[in-house]
Amino acid sequence: EADIYQTPRYLVIGTGKKITLECSQTMGHDKMYWYQQDPGMELHLIHYSYGVNSTEKGDLSSESTVSRIRTEHFPLTLESARPSHTSQYLCASSSGGLGGYTFGSGTRLTVV
Amino acid sequence: GDSVTQMEGPVTLSEEACLTINCTYTATGYPSLFWYVQYPGEGLQLLLKATKADDKGSNKGFEATYRKETTSFHLEKGSVQVSDSAVYFCALDSGAGSYQLTFGKGTKLSVIP
Repeated sequence: EADIYQTPRYLVIGTGKKITLECSQTMGHDKMYWYQQDPGMELHLIHYSYGVNSTEKGDLSSESTVSRIRTEHFPLTLESARPSHTSQYLCASSSGGLGGYTFGSGTRLTVV
Repeated sequence: GDSVTQMEGPVTLSEEACLTINCTYTATGYPSLFWYVQYPGEGLQLLLKATKADDKGSNKGFEATYRKETTSFHLEKGSVQVSDSAVYFCALDSGAGSYQLTFGKGTKLSVIP
């Protein structure tokens, strides 16, 4: 079954730790996105990729980085986590047509 | 640039009440329009979509009609259930090759028994 997977679902880590949030999709989509969702529910685009070896920063400035070495995999890394990084992170993918996005279930990150 | 404005929540309704969540948009060209739903603790799921003027999208009892003259795509349901409690997002794809959706800020719906 075609789908998009995010791991872990929940993560609590200490300040200063390095973490990687995983996102993988089995649909062969070229386009992938990372959103940060604030407690008020608004979505903020922080990174996107339109294909292998192509990554761009989104509208919201973020201290995270991403990579796209394989079509199906789009991990997000925080080199040194801070309490201000506490948030819900959503990954999405798209074929670029009129079908919109497919979203993963999200990773809820808490930095203490 | 493109923008989506949806009614602010939270919205609280009793079970079996009628629902309307307003959504208006600003876009160049001929956008496609979407409604997504986010249940507690989950990611967003596509609820319905419309790709051209006067199209009606429908799913799970929800409907929305693409109105170009009023640049609107209001979400409606005739009789809500407790299980409809969620956050609803209106979004548009400008179709101009940007490959990015523009989202509204979301409307939280709570349905009480």
